[in-house]
Amino acid sequence: DGGITQSPKYLFRKEGQNVTLSCEQNLNHDAMYWYRQDPGQGLRLIYYSQIVNDFQKGDIAEGYSVSREKKESFPLTVTSAQKNPTAFYLCASLGQNTGELFFGEGSRLTVL
Amino acid sequence: AQSVTQPDIHITVSEGASLELRCNYSYGATPYLFWYVQSPGQGLQLLLKYFSGDTLVQGIKGFEAEFKRSQSSFNLRKPSVHWSDAAEYFCAVGPSGAGSYQLTFGKGTKLSVIP
Repeated sequence: DGGITQSPKYLFRKEGQNVTLSCEQNLNHDAMYWYRQDPGQGLRLIYYSQIVNDFQKGDIAEGYSVSREKKESFPLTVTSAQKNPTAFYLCASLGQNTGELFFGEGSRLTVL
Repeated sequence: AQSVTQPDIHITVSEGASLELRCNYSYGATPYLFWYVQSPGQGLQLLLKYFSGDTLVQGIKGFEAEFKRSQSSFNLRKPSVHWSDAAEYFCAVGPSGAGSYQLTFGKGTKLSVIP
């Protein structure tokens, strides 16, 4: 089935460590997005990419980095510079002609 | 800048009762409007969307929403709630960003259903 796969679903990290969250899609969508979700805060945009080898900062990009080397893949690295990284992270892609975002099942990162 | 307000953080209804979740938006032009639903620990699923045309939009799972331009609202309704509707609901508006497509989400309304 077509969709978005995020891994890992749960991740624990020690303070000071970088961690990379994977996002893969087989929907042939050009645009991909990373959101952070905290309780009571809704979804906040971290980074997005409209096309391969191009990406833009969202509202809360500090402490995060991304790459877009392949159309199918948009990994997010949470760096040690991110002051409060414990959160639920959601990856999405944009339907070509629908204007709809398709979401993965999310990755929950806990910093110990 | 565009914004979305969901005034109700948490709503509790009895199974079989009707439901209305409120959404107000701020946007400079005719918006694209969406309602998504999220079960605990899961991603978001689209319930319905409005781009243009008929202001009453039908979605999945028996939900509908009405776009009211004069009130800048896009409220979600369901005539009879089922226990499986318990989840968190997000309203979103877009697009935004020059040359890009972005959605702005509300902070969500958590729905609890009493058997």
